[in-house]
Amino acid sequence: GENVEQHPSTLSVQEGDSAVIKCTYSDSASNYFPWYKQELGKRPQLIIDIRSNVGEKKDQRIAVTLNKTAKHFSLHITETQPEDSAVYFCAARGGGSNYKLTFGKGTLLTVNP
Amino acid sequence: DVKVTQSSRYLVKRTGEKVFLECVQDMDHENMFWYRQDPGLGLRLIYFSYDVKMKEKGDIPEGYSVSREKKERFSLILESASTNQTSMYLCATRIAYEQYFGPGTRLTVT
Repeated sequence: GENVEQHPSTLSVQEGDSAVIKCTYSDSASNYFPWYKQELGKRPQLIIDIRSNVGEKKDQRIAVTLNKTAKHFSLHITETQPEDSAVYFCAARGGGSNYKLTFGKGTLLTVNP
Repeated sequence: DVKVTQSSRYLVKRTGEKVFLECVQDMDHENMFWYRQDPGLGLRLIYFSYDVKMKEKGDIPEGYSVSREKKERFSLILESASTNQTSMYLCATRIAYEQYFGPGTRLTVT
């Protein structure tokens, strides 16, 4: 089955700096890669996603890049703000039609004012 | 607006008890999922269902079973709760590619 590795497990940045979180996946047939943000005590929420036919996607301060050859994808947050502090999870949907997602172990991002 | 609700936010049960965790969605979605979340381990899939009475094991099904008698409701069952099942349990439903999560149930087994 699919295996997703996520790094780093913790990340601390100064407000205004950029943050990058990286994930690798094992199933070359995987075709959908979402990123979820989970604030303390809240449910995970989708913040951005990318499909395998696209190399990059941007939404304001957030971007995701995908390298299918190397089987890795990354989340980039620019101009970080304290409200970006949360746990971020990457995930991959393997080949097939069951819509199952395999998640990484998460990255705790702390943005220091 | 998608609504995924879970029957309890906090639950305390004793070892050996049978535990039911309920999840209800209001959008007639076919796919529903149960995950457990533990610090440092991320979200791990226990079971999922792609239609009424249809279910499939996820990555960590041992010690759990599920029931889906109606499309809107997906139940997770701990047949005989053990302390290593103390965890946060999250239910999710799917729209297109996206999974929407419920608020979670924090289960403590003593």
